Amino acid sequence: DGGITQSPKYLFRKEGQNVTLSCEQNLNHDAMYWYRQDPGQGLRLIYYSQIVNDFQKGDIAEGYSVSREKKESFPLTVTSAQKNPTAFYLCASSLRGADYNEQFFGPGTRLTVL
Amino acid sequence: GQNIDQPTEMTATEGAIVQINCTYQTSGFNGLFWYQQHAGEAPTFLSYNVLDGLEEKGRFSSFLSRSKGYSYLLLKELQMKDSASYLCAVVDSNYQLIWGAGTKLIIKP
Repeated sequence: DGGITQSPKYLFRKEGQNVTLSCEQNLNHDAMYWYRQDPGQGLRLIYYSQIVNDFQKGDIAEGYSVSREKKESFPLTVTSAQKNPTAFYLCASSLRGADYNEQFFGPGTRLTVL
Repeated sequence: GQNIDQPTEMTATEGAIVQINCTYQTSGFNGLFWYQQHAGEAPTFLSYNVLDGLEEKGRFSSFLSRSKGYSYLLLKELQMKDSASYLCAVVDSNYQLIWGAGTKLIIKP
């Protein structure tokens, strides 16, 4: 089955600790995205990558970092510099350069910082 | 700036019809998506419009007017499982998705 996996579903961390959220896809998509979703708000783009070894900042990149060493993987690190990291994090992928830019989403990771 | 407006919450009755509106002001336009998102889950694709007019897919239809910067999602024969948030997203001139805050739809028996 082709799809996107994120793990874990729920994650708890102490304030001041860095944490890495995983995202893997086997859809052979070139583009991958990380979003943050807070209650009552739309999806906000953190980072995106259109090709291996390249990524771009989204609207709210401060306090986050990513890597794209493999086409299938796009991990997100939430650093201690992120002021309010508790949120629902969604990873997505799409065909690169497609006008029909449908994004496919993983199940999400709910991060709670205590 | 870029802006997408949707009602925050709507309530409808099982078996009825509901229309969820979306208005947008974006830098360029390369299509509009509607996604459904159940609480705590990932958004799933419902429809895509790039030309003016109505796209029908089973109980769901989506309409677009590019000149008015307006779209709506029409849900017919509502079922309890349709209780979810409905997200409108516009593809801008850079082929990035700009997301609305979503409309929470509550279905009552």
